[in-house]
Amino acid sequence: DTEVTQTPKHLVMGMTNKKSLKCEQHMGHRAMYWYKQKAKKPPELMFVYSYEKLSINESVPSRFSPECPNSSLLNLHLHALQPEDSALYLCASSPKEGRARGYYGYTFGSGTRLTVV
Amino acid sequence: TQLLEQSPQFLSIQEGENLTVYCNSSSVFSSLQWYRQEPGEGPVLLVTVVTGGEVKKLKRLTSQFGDARKDSSLHITAAQPGDTGLYLCAGASNAGGTSYGKLTFGQGTILTVHP
Repeated sequence: DTEVTQTPKHLVMGMTNKKSLKCEQHMGHRAMYWYKQKAKKPPELMFVYSYEKLSINESVPSRFSPECPNSSLLNLHLHALQPEDSALYLCASSPKEGRARGYYGYTFGSGTRLTVV
Repeated sequence: TQLLEQSPQFLSIQEGENLTVYCNSSSVFSSLQWYRQEPGEGPVLLVTVVTGGEVKKLKRLTSQFGDARKDSSLHITAAQPGDTGLYLCAGASNAGGTSYGKLTFGQGTILTVHP
């Protein structure tokens, strides 16, 4: 299995809703990431998890809450979002921490297209 | 803050032509990765270069890493309509003293290949 699977593919939510995005990989990668991408812009890093521990939070608002229950799963819990949070949310994983990670590249999922109304 | 300047921003060519996309930075990266992204999908890794001066060839793609590991190019020969998409360069670096890699993306090149 060489994929990162994200569900759902599309999500429409109101500003008072609570929803979760799910990401799963079975490649044995011990680093997982959440990125946010606006149309025709590059992905922006939100969170990095390594060995199931949060290692980087790029000053993301608390209405986004990440969770890594085990080495294969990564969730992003959403609450009280704003319309400007509408974007493509990408999950990625990579095989190793440290300098060696860059040698392998990242595997991205297909993303969740989120629309906040 | 590390920045990657990618050029050109847009590229429109005919099938069969060659093209080159560039990424430049004042920062040193541990590796430089090139991705292609189609609308509504995640980026797909094309090639990674690691060593200063490295040239990596994969079928119609050739990527080069600058000697100082601050710049890179991606060359595609005999472009096909299926090559159409958003091309992103990304530099990997150790983040703030931690041992975890962090990708810095260029702004992207939107490539259109006309039949």
